[in-house]
Amino acid sequence: KAGVTQTPRYLIKTRGQQVTLSCSPISGHRSVSWYQQTPGQGLQFLFEYFSETQRNKGNFPGRFSGRQFSNSRSEMNVSTLELGDSALYLCASSPARAGEAKHEQYFGPGTRLTVT
Amino acid sequence: EDKVVQSPLSLVVHEGDTVTLNCSYEVTNFRSLLWYKQEKKAPTFLFMLTSSGIEKKSGRLSSILDKKELFSILNITATQTGDSAVYLCAISGGTSYGKLTFGQGTILTVHP
Repeated sequence: KAGVTQTPRYLIKTRGQQVTLSCSPISGHRSVSWYQQTPGQGLQFLFEYFSETQRNKGNFPGRFSGRQFSNSRSEMNVSTLELGDSALYLCASSPARAGEAKHEQYFGPGTRLTVT
Repeated sequence: EDKVVQSPLSLVVHEGDTVTLNCSYEVTNFRSLLWYKQEKKAPTFLFMLTSSGIEKKSGRLSSILDKKELFSILNITATQTGDSAVYLCAISGGTSYGKLTFGQGTILTVHP
């Protein structure tokens, strides 16, 4: 099976702009989670989608949003970019079924976002 | 709030050494503990543990969970330079669908 894919791999934006990142999960996986990784804060959970519904959200401002499509592909959007949004954004998919919260997650290669 | 603390934060060994990485956690309604290896790319899944006392093994790597004492260890025997990476411990709890809480990681460096 193909792994999790993310596009683009690298992105440079300026403050105030917005950005959309895309994630395609492993075939058959319906759960997609997003994380932000920075040297100072490590890996932090952004949100999770399952069957087009957001089931969980981390402690990030409303500028961070996401959605999931019927084919389980997911996008996340960051509006009004700030310098502190520079990070590696990781998407992970899981074979978890409805009502399950313990399945392993498989990560994509990430999108490296630099905000100048 | 869920919390994961890993130790040591960094470790330098020589090829052939055995290392033990530690992970302690606090979580409401524990579901699973996971170990990942991260090189200069995305984390790679190693193990998921859900029951106490059962050792998971994959080649030179093994891991065990103690749910009573709230910790896990990851052992790597006969280390190789290719084992150099950041090892991340994460937990899943309650009804936190899709959320893993990660520790800060242990940076392992294996010298030839």
